[in-house]
Amino acid sequence: GENVEQHPSTLSVQEGDSAVIKCTYSDSASNYFPWYKQELGKRPQLIIDIRSNVGEKKDQRIAVTLNKTAKHFSLHITETQPEDSAVYFCAASKDTNAGKSTFGDGTTLTVKP
Amino acid sequence: ETGVTQTPRHLVMGMTNKKSLKCEQHLGHNAMYWYKQSAKKPLELMFVYSLEERVENNSVPSRFSPECPNSSHLFLHLHTLQPEDSALYLCASSQDEGTTGELFFGEGSRLTVL
Repeated sequence: GENVEQHPSTLSVQEGDSAVIKCTYSDSASNYFPWYKQELGKRPQLIIDIRSNVGEKKDQRIAVTLNKTAKHFSLHITETQPEDSAVYFCAASKDTNAGKSTFGDGTTLTVKP
Repeated sequence: ETGVTQTPRHLVMGMTNKKSLKCEQHLGHNAMYWYKQSAKKPLELMFVYSLEERVENNSVPSRFSPECPNSSHLFLHLHTLQPEDSALYLCASSQDEGTTGELFFGEGSRLTVL
């Protein structure tokens, strides 16, 4: 089955700096890669996703890059703000199994004001 | 109310108790899921329901018993649990089980087994 590894497990940055979280996956058939943000005591929520026919996707301060050859994808947050502090999860799934995504362990991001 | 709603938000039970977790979605989705979230572990998929039919059981012990009476409601019946079953149980829904797209999560039920 699919195996997703996520690094780092914790990340602390100063407000205004950039943050990068990386994930690798094992199943070359995976082609959908969502990122979820979970604030303390709240539900995970999708913040951005990418499909394997695209190498990069941006949404304001958030971007995701995908390298299919190397089987890794990354989340980039620029101009971080304290409200970006949360746990971020990457995931990977195949077209026909979107709801059965394999999740990474999560990265706890702390943005210091 | 919109979105995915879970009750109760917190539950404490003994190992011999029987309790149930409830999930309700108002999004018109066809697929619903139970996930287990333990500290320092990735989200673990437990059960998948598509159009009220269970399509996947990820080797979950029989002390967890899901029920999906209709496409809007999902239950997780609990009996004779172990302390290691203490975790946050998240319900989620998606438009369909067989297509890519966003998972909508509930806020979870925090379960403590004494």
